[in-house]
Amino acid sequence: AQTVTQSQPEMSVQEAETVTLSCTYDTSENNYYLFWYKQPPSRQMILVIRQEAYKQQNATENRFSVNFQKAAKSFSLKISDSQLGDTAMYFCAFIISGGGADGLTFGKGTHLIIQP
Amino acid sequence: GAGVSQSPRYKVAKRGQDVALRCDPISGHVSLFWYQQALGQGPEFLTYFQNEAQLDKSGLPSDRFFAERPEGSVSTLKIQRTQQEDSAVYLCASSLWASGGHEQYFGPGTRLTVT
Repeated sequence: AQTVTQSQPEMSVQEAETVTLSCTYDTSENNYYLFWYKQPPSRQMILVIRQEAYKQQNATENRFSVNFQKAAKSFSLKISDSQLGDTAMYFCAFIISGGGADGLTFGKGTHLIIQP
Repeated sequence: GAGVSQSPRYKVAKRGQDVALRCDPISGHVSLFWYQQALGQGPEFLTYFQNEAQLDKSGLPSDRFFAERPEGSVSTLKIQRTQQEDSAVYLCASSLWASGGHEQYFGPGTRLTVT
């Protein structure tokens, strides 16, 4: 079974600062995908960034980037120049590549608060 | 086009009642997932459909939970004889392709409260 651990229940930073959210996972699979999803207070989950495990290059999406360390099973999210709209729950998630069975395995989430 | 929609958004049920939760995925999306999100927790996988076929129902917590997607589009999650521990937000997600690595688009969820 796969597990995802997010060790920071809550983080708070000032607007424009850089913040890093941590995520570790455990799996015996070799081919999988990792995701960071954002869930604002309205509760609709939105994809932030996606990483394919077979790619060594870290994914980036504008102000969002990841530090993917496959051997360490670590997948942290860095948010640069944080904005008030980044305030949300952030979930790290994992899925085995292939037929999509089992769905995403999520961590418990990190509540990120951006202070003005 | 429209995103994933779910109805009702809120449902209050008395213990022992049956409930039906509806999910309208994005048109043309092959994959459909149901998740259960308890308060303060991450979503947990319930079941997965590829078109009309239910390929995985390993996450359904009991035989009181039943899901269907008869025509490969709209899906319904039914909970029979609801219990207090069923109180949660039920999220539906759809994905364009069948393989697991593609983005899942989530609906707003149905918040179920069992009294």
